[in-house]
Amino acid sequence: KNEVEQSPQNLTAQEGEFITINCSYSVGISALHWLQQHPGGGIVSLFMLSSGKKKHGRLIATINIQEKHSSLHITASHPRDSAVYICAVTGNQFYFGTGTSLTVIP
Amino acid sequence: NAGVMQNPRHLVRRRGQEARLRCSPMKGHSHVYWYRQLPEEGLKFMVYLQKENIIDESGMPKERFSAEFPKEGPSILRIQQVVRGDSAAYFCASSPISDSGANVLTFGAGSRLTVL
Repeated sequence: KNEVEQSPQNLTAQEGEFITINCSYSVGISALHWLQQHPGGGIVSLFMLSSGKKKHGRLIATINIQEKHSSLHITASHPRDSAVYICAVTGNQFYFGTGTSLTVIP
Repeated sequence: NAGVMQNPRHLVRRRGQEARLRCSPMKGHSHVYWYRQLPEEGLKFMVYLQKENIIDESGMPKERFSAEFPKEGPSILRIQQVVRGDSAAYFCASSPISDSGANVLTFGAGSRLTVL
C-alpha cells in the first residue's frame, strides 16, 4: 500500500466544470504539497499546506489533518489546466502520490 | 535569478559511462532535494542536502549514486557506470530555511538522462 493515495487516477472534464482531486496519506507529515506537472514534464509547486485551506486564483487546496486527507479543487476549469497533479507529503521522509492526469476538453 | 536551474536539460550516455547532473538552487535557498521520475512512473525522492551536508539520503540507490552540495557552486547528482535502468527524468527542488520544518519547494525543469 502506498503512503500517499490519489484519486481519481484519470479525469476528463468539460471546460468550465468544477474539478476535485483527492489525496489521502497514512504517515505523519509536516506539510502536504500539490504539484502540477505539465505535458512537457516541468513541475510547478502549486500549494504547500500544513493546515486549513489556501486559494490561488481558480485553485483551492484544503487539508484535514485529523482525517489525513487533502483535496485540490479547480473552479471554472480550462483546457490549459490539463496536466498531471501530484500530491506529496513531507515528514520524516518524502512520499509522492502517483498523480492524477487531468484533461479538460474545450 | 529565474528559479532553480538544472543542467544539462538532456544528457545521453552509454552504459558504463558517468552522468553528472547539476542543480543551482534559487537565490537564498540553502536546501536542495533530488527526485527521480522513471518512465511511466511517479516521482520518487532521492536525497535532501544542505550546503556541505547530506540530511536524508534514504531514497538513493546504495551503489553508483552520490550527491553533493558544496559550499560554493551547484549541487551535483553523480551516477557512475550508468545502466539503461537509470534512464529517467531527474528533478531538483530547492527551499529556504524553515523553522517549522515545512518547506516551500521550487522545482527545476529537470534533466532527462538517456542511457543507450
